[in-house]
Amino acid sequence: DQQVKQNSPSLSVQEGRISILNCDYTNSMFDYFLWYKKYPAEGPTFLISISSIKDKNEDGRFTVFLNKSAKHLSLHIVPSQPGDSAVYFCAARNYGGSQGNLIFGKGTKLSVKP
Amino acid sequence: GAVVSQHPSWVICKSGTSVKIECRSLDFQATTMFWYRQFPKQSLMLMATSNEGSKATYEQGVEKDKFLINHASLTLSTLTVTSAHPEDSSFYICSAEGGGPTDTQYFGPGTRLTVL
Repeated sequence: DQQVKQNSPSLSVQEGRISILNCDYTNSMFDYFLWYKKYPAEGPTFLISISSIKDKNEDGRFTVFLNKSAKHLSLHIVPSQPGDSAVYFCAARNYGGSQGNLIFGKGTKLSVKP
Repeated sequence: GAVVSQHPSWVICKSGTSVKIECRSLDFQATTMFWYRQFPKQSLMLMATSNEGSKATYEQGVEKDKFLINHASLTLSTLTVTSAHPEDSSFYICSAEGGGPTDTQYFGPGTRLTVL
């Protein structure tokens, strides 16, 4: 049973436009959510995170929105740049349950076209 | 952000040999380190959670006698793949965190293991 779902395996966006990557989760005990960016044959790079007590967190071009009632979060990248092309993983954790490990979605491959 | 290194970045070995992969947190003390495995076009799958000075906690289906994990210090964890076989070929990634509830996990660059 997949607790973190990224239903779009790929997304293509024009440079300068907004990229919206979506993530759904099923476990209401998750209390912290993170987005990672990953290039092939490299480890994931942390992008941005959000605590379950917030509904928005912004860092430069990256904004993460959390809708707890819908168990949904999204990552907005604006404006998108060709260098943003990578696989983006949504991850969640249930730290309050003494489970510090991350549970990852399957990733969404973002392609930003010049 | 914090830096986590892994060594080696890639390794090719013969079937039946053992391979050790090191994971180091370079500029912070990691109370907990995690080992993940990624198959092609798949998500990262947690293999085990490692706390300094104690035995690792393995996920269901992961053979602890095959994947030996040692977390000897607050900056070093090692994963040893014993008697490696071709099906163990994969991309192994470690991550480390300081231990707080909102501490971010920082990932190493990964190790590509190919078993011939």
